[in-house]
Amino acid sequence: TQLLEQSPQFLSIQEGENLTVYCNSSSVFSSLQWYRQEPGEGPVLLVTVVTGGEVKKLKRLTFQFGDARKDSSLHITAAQPGDTGLYLCAGVDSGAGSYQLTFGKGTKLSVIP
Amino acid sequence: DVKVTQSSRYLVKRTGEKVFLECVQDMDHENMFWYRQDPGLGLRLIYFSYDVKMKEKGDIPEGYSVSREKKERFSLILESASTNQTSMYLCASSLTWGGVTDTQYFGPGTRLTVL
Repeated sequence: TQLLEQSPQFLSIQEGENLTVYCNSSSVFSSLQWYRQEPGEGPVLLVTVVTGGEVKKLKRLTFQFGDARKDSSLHITAAQPGDTGLYLCAGVDSGAGSYQLTFGKGTKLSVIP
Repeated sequence: DVKVTQSSRYLVKRTGEKVFLECVQDMDHENMFWYRQDPGLGLRLIYFSYDVKMKEKGDIPEGYSVSREKKERFSLILESASTNQTSMYLCASSLTWGGVTDTQYFGPGTRLTVL
């Protein structure tokens, strides 16, 4: 079973600060997804990164897939209270004849006004 | 927009009861999933279904069964609920399964408490 380690587990910052969340593994993934889950709701997909070294931007959020496709990061610039939630990374392993989606345990972000 | 709905947001049951959790999706997706989410453990796959009447065990199927009689509906059944099944249960659906860009759409979850 592949494992995805997310860090930090909890993060509490002031509005306007920048932050980075990490998702690491010893395994290579075909792609990596980031979800955000708000309190009382299910996770919602933010982005999928597929190519090693790929960088995707979604407004103030920047996602990067490591060159070796084993790790990923999410950077938020000028965090806002609306960014509060649980951020989950999920690794896709679609090798020949098999398919597996593995979720990390999540980073709980609180942005204080 | 894809919509995945779950029959209850909160449910309280007693040990030994039979529990049904229902999930409905409105986008004609082939694939449907049941996860449980626990603090410190993340999302764990219980069962998934890639077609009507077809099912596959996930990582933690013990104590659970599923039913998919219609394409849009996927039910999770706890035959005899136990306290260690107290959790948040999330249903998801996806159009494709097995590709690097598959997208899962989640319902709002059912928080089940077993007393």
